[in-house]
Amino acid sequence: DSGVTQTPKHLITATGQRVTLRCSPRSGDLSVYWYQQSLDQGLQFLIHYYNGEERAKGNILERFSAQQFPDLHSELNLSSLELGDSALYFCASSLTGGDTQYFGPGTRLTVL
Amino acid sequence: AQSVTQLDSQVPVFEEAPVELRCNYSSSVSVYLFWYVQYPNQGLQLLLKYLSGSTLVKGINGFEAEFNKSQTSFHLRKPSVHISDTAEYFCAVSRIQGAQKLVFGQGTRLTINP
Repeated sequence: DSGVTQTPKHLITATGQRVTLRCSPRSGDLSVYWYQQSLDQGLQFLIHYYNGEERAKGNILERFSAQQFPDLHSELNLSSLELGDSALYFCASSLTGGDTQYFGPGTRLTVL
Repeated sequence: AQSVTQLDSQVPVFEEAPVELRCNYSSSVSVYLFWYVQYPNQGLQLLLKYLSGSTLVKGINGFEAEFNKSQTSFHLRKPSVHISDTAEYFCAVSRIQGAQKLVFGQGTRLTINP
């Protein structure tokens, strides 16, 4: 158990819908990262937050957005969902922005 | 930019045999190196990491890796594998300075046969 929690574990929804994925970092960690794992793209970095502020963006679609709240939990919002958004979404946390990242169990999103 | 190449997509080995999973990286700046393992239907677990110092790094479950700067490689090894080592293994790098996102290889599926 890494100490990083993600909810929900599974999410099944329809095209065009909007969903919110939630992540709680390890106690004391200030950084939260989001990654997407799909069969065709592998593991891709989406976005990084540090202590409530966006620090870096990767291959994140404009339909996707994220935020980190004062209690340091983070949410990833995915809207206008398409079939190709079906993937495993991982959250990771680290103490600061430059040390080891610990991963949560992931949220498996299925878009039908 | 950084990139990671895992040279084998699948590696089948017999139980108690040694195994090496190969990883090469490319980067114009100094990086940290990591190996993560993903068991079926689970998240990513850190196996080991190289930040600095000794180029031979020991991790959990009897795994070790050697950082070779001249060959830009970070191969993962285990002298004797067990059925429970069946999993997907990911090599990753992150910049030491600047954006600390992880850049992953495509993964190597390790299958242990009895």
